[in-house]
Amino acid sequence: KNEVEQSPQNLTAQEGEFITINCSYSVGISALHWLQQHPGGGIVSLFMLSSGKKKHGRLIATINIQEKHSSLHITASHPRDSAVYICAVTMDSNYQLIWGAGTKLIIKP
Amino acid sequence: GAGVSQSPRYKVAKRGQDVALRCDPISGHVSLFWYQQALGQGPEFLTYFQNEAQLDKSGLPSDRFFAERPEGSVSTLKIQRTQQEDSAVYLCASSLVLGQRGYEQYFGPGTRLTVT
Repeated sequence: KNEVEQSPQNLTAQEGEFITINCSYSVGISALHWLQQHPGGGIVSLFMLSSGKKKHGRLIATINIQEKHSSLHITASHPRDSAVYICAVTMDSNYQLIWGAGTKLIIKP
Repeated sequence: GAGVSQSPRYKVAKRGQDVALRCDPISGHVSLFWYQQALGQGPEFLTYFQNEAQLDKSGLPSDRFFAERPEGSVSTLKIQRTQQEDSAVYLCASSLVLGQRGYEQYFGPGTRLTVT
């Protein structure tokens, strides 16, 4: 079993829809990261959080430490949001990032 | 300010050639990481520097891979005698500090290496 699991693996939605991507982890962490990767592009860090909720524009990230679960939400989705969204965690005892498999999001106009 | 930059963005090498990939981290960032991302896979950790010290190279897949950061800023990942399985995107990331509560890594655009 992977230490970081994301769902869904693939998600296709219409422009304007509310998007939710989930991440569950099984290890003790010091932080959880949400990252975005466009096709052929580099990785951009969206959020780093260790508790509660963060918002940036149309993106919202939440984390529940007790349940070891985080969600990334996109409101009023747009085709330019199409990308792979990756959840990664920094373990308590290690600086390395443990990566989820990513969620490929396609927003159709 | 400028983000993390990497060069070249694309590199095609013939099997057996040596390649050198460069990473310019954000100025003042202490920590620097190299990752390897094979097609369709998530990034895999290669090595970590704190300033000029290479504190962890456990992810380097073989002794053909070598990384350095001699002055604690720019880093070079060198791959000797490239093999086809080395084809991947090589990502560099830097962060300001390595804190106890985690840290934010800033990623470069990556170098896509294709070994023919």
